[in-house]
Amino acid sequence: DAGVIQSPRHEVTEMGQEVTLRCKPISGHDYLFWYRQTMMRGLELLIYFNNNVPIDDSGMPEDRFSAKMPNASFSTLKIQPSEPRDSAVYFCASSLWDRVSGNTIYFGEGSWLTVV
Amino acid sequence: GQNIDQPTEMTATEGAIVQINCTYQTSGFNGLFWYQQHAGEAPTFLSYNVLDGLEEKGRFSSFLSRSKGYSYLLLKELQMKDSASYLCAVRNDYKLSFGAGTTVTVRA
Repeated sequence: DAGVIQSPRHEVTEMGQEVTLRCKPISGHDYLFWYRQTMMRGLELLIYFNNNVPIDDSGMPEDRFSAKMPNASFSTLKIQPSEPRDSAVYFCASSLWDRVSGNTIYFGEGSWLTVV
Repeated sequence: GQNIDQPTEMTATEGAIVQINCTYQTSGFNGLFWYQQHAGEAPTFLSYNVLDGLEEKGRFSSFLSRSKGYSYLLLKELQMKDSASYLCAVRNDYKLSFGAGTTVTVRA
């Protein structure tokens, strides 16, 4: 089975540019999560969706960040305009709720973003 | 809010045993997870505890005490490939919050 697929794997962009990160969750999973990881702040939850509906976006740092999930197999995280402090690894993860696994989440390989 | 504490670093010798402790204070609790993350890679699932007690999976075991807000991950018969960061995570409702991670270095 294919895991969570993210693109691009690496992106270097200039401050002020728009960045769009893409994610394809594991087929059949009903939860999708966007996390950000930095040395200073560790792994932070930005937003999560259930059945394509955003449930909690309290972790989104500011209005420059937005996320969408137009269908069960695709999600985007957009940063506009980007700033150097947005440099981080952005992970997409998905899960299927069931009592046995406790909603174990599975991560994509991450998108490494550098804003210069 | 969520407060999840684990040691920053641990070093051990190949073949030895290492125990990584995790304490948590969270507004809700629906389970505790351990993930392994090698440098430059994504976190991968290791274990899940929702009830008190020990869960064993090969060389890895995880323990949970809900009344004490405490868990540990036990790594036995350490191998060089076990050098990685180990993340403790608490589930509250459907959200998973992570600790800062413990970097384990295995020496020959």
